[in-house]
Amino acid sequence: GDSVTQTEGLVTLTKGLPVMLNCTYQTTYSPFLFWYVQHLNEAPKLLLKSSTDNKRTEHQGFYATLHKSSSSFHLQKSSVQLSDSALYFCALSEWDNSAGNKLTFGIGTRVLVRP
Amino acid sequence: EAAVTQSPRNKVAVTGGKVTLSCNQTNNHNNMYWYRQDTGHGLRLIHYSYGAGSTEKGDIPDGYKASRPSQENFSLILELATPSQTSVYFCASGELGGRVEQYFGPGTRLTVL
Repeated sequence: GDSVTQTEGLVTLTKGLPVMLNCTYQTTYSPFLFWYVQHLNEAPKLLLKSSTDNKRTEHQGFYATLHKSSSSFHLQKSSVQLSDSALYFCALSEWDNSAGNKLTFGIGTRVLVRP
Repeated sequence: EAAVTQSPRNKVAVTGGKVTLSCNQTNNHNNMYWYRQDTGHGLRLIHYSYGAGSTEKGDIPDGYKASRPSQENFSLILELATPSQTSVYFCASGELGGRVEQYFGPGTRLTVL
């Protein structure tokens, strides 16, 4: 079945520095990837999504490029802010004809930004 | 803005008791989902539905039942709660069709003693 791997459990960094969160996936279907962000005690919210190979997608200063050749969809930001402290999930869409859309989530990467 | 609400927001239950978690969405979405969130596991799909009257098993359905009496409402039922079901539960809704965003509710923190 489908799977998503996020290798970093916790990333701690200083405000203003760049960050990259790793996401790799396995699927037998054409991939559609998402990044969700979850701030403390809040619901997960969509950050960005893509199904286009080698095309950068951006939102709120974050960006990611789907690379089908390496099965990756890493999330990056050039300069993190204190408000970026949150839990970030990578998710893969599995097209299920009966349900229409099931998501497989990675375990999440917690980002902690220090002043 | 999509709107998914959950009740209760916090619940303490006893082992062996029955627990019902409720979810309501005003998005008129066909699909609804129940996930649980645990450290080290991310979000795992318990049950989902693609319309009123339908329920399907997700990846971890054991010990849970679901009910979708209407387009707007989707319940998760723990007939005999166990401490291993202590978790944070999220409901989500999404449009019918592939590759679309899911909108999440605020979550329910369930503790089973």
